[in-house]
Amino acid sequence: DQQVKQNSPSLSVQEGRISILNCDYTNSMFDYFLWYKKYPAEGPTFLISISSIKDKNEDGRFTVFLNKSAKHLSLHIVPSQPGDSAVYFCAANTQGGSEKLVFGKGTKLTVNP
Amino acid sequence: DAGVIQSPRHEVTEMGQEVTLRCKPISGHDYLFWYRQTMMRGLELLIYFNNNVPIDDSGMPEDRFSAKMPNASFSTLKIQPSEPRDSAVYFCASSPNPGHRDTEAFFGQGTRLTVV
Repeated sequence: DQQVKQNSPSLSVQEGRISILNCDYTNSMFDYFLWYKKYPAEGPTFLISISSIKDKNEDGRFTVFLNKSAKHLSLHIVPSQPGDSAVYFCAANTQGGSEKLVFGKGTKLTVNP
Repeated sequence: DAGVIQSPRHEVTEMGQEVTLRCKPISGHDYLFWYRQTMMRGLELLIYFNNNVPIDDSGMPEDRFSAKMPNASFSTLKIQPSEPRDSAVYFCASSPNPGHRDTEAFFGQGTRLTVV
């Protein structure tokens, strides 16, 4: 049973436009969420995170939004750049609880010049 | 620090052979994770260690899989005997304290395993 779901396997956007990647979770005990970016032939790298005490966290062009009631989070990239083309993984865990990070299956983002 | 180092980067082996994947975590990190990535299941946690002790191996698919961490700077994931369905990319990651805010896991570059 997938506790973290990324229902869009792929997304294609034009350079300069907004990219929105979505993630849903089912475990209400999750209270810390992370986004990782993965380029081909490399390991995932941490991008941005958000705690459940917040509903928004921003870092430069990247913003993560959290809707706890809907068990939904999203990653916004504005403006999108060709170098953002990668697979984006959503992950979640429980702070102070299990050290397990549960990942979604990933969304492949392609930013076209 | 050079980051998490995995070897080999690529491994091609015949069904039935033993495969050993290796990982050197970032110095000072107390947690080490082994993940497997496949198209069907995404990134799955296989096992993780805290201070060299296996904490949770519930993700290990079968008895054919085993993992060890003999010291703070080295871990192995062994598959014996290997099967074609084990073909995947295996990632090792380490973290200072993954259960707390503002900490995250650092991943190695992965080992792409192909079992023919």
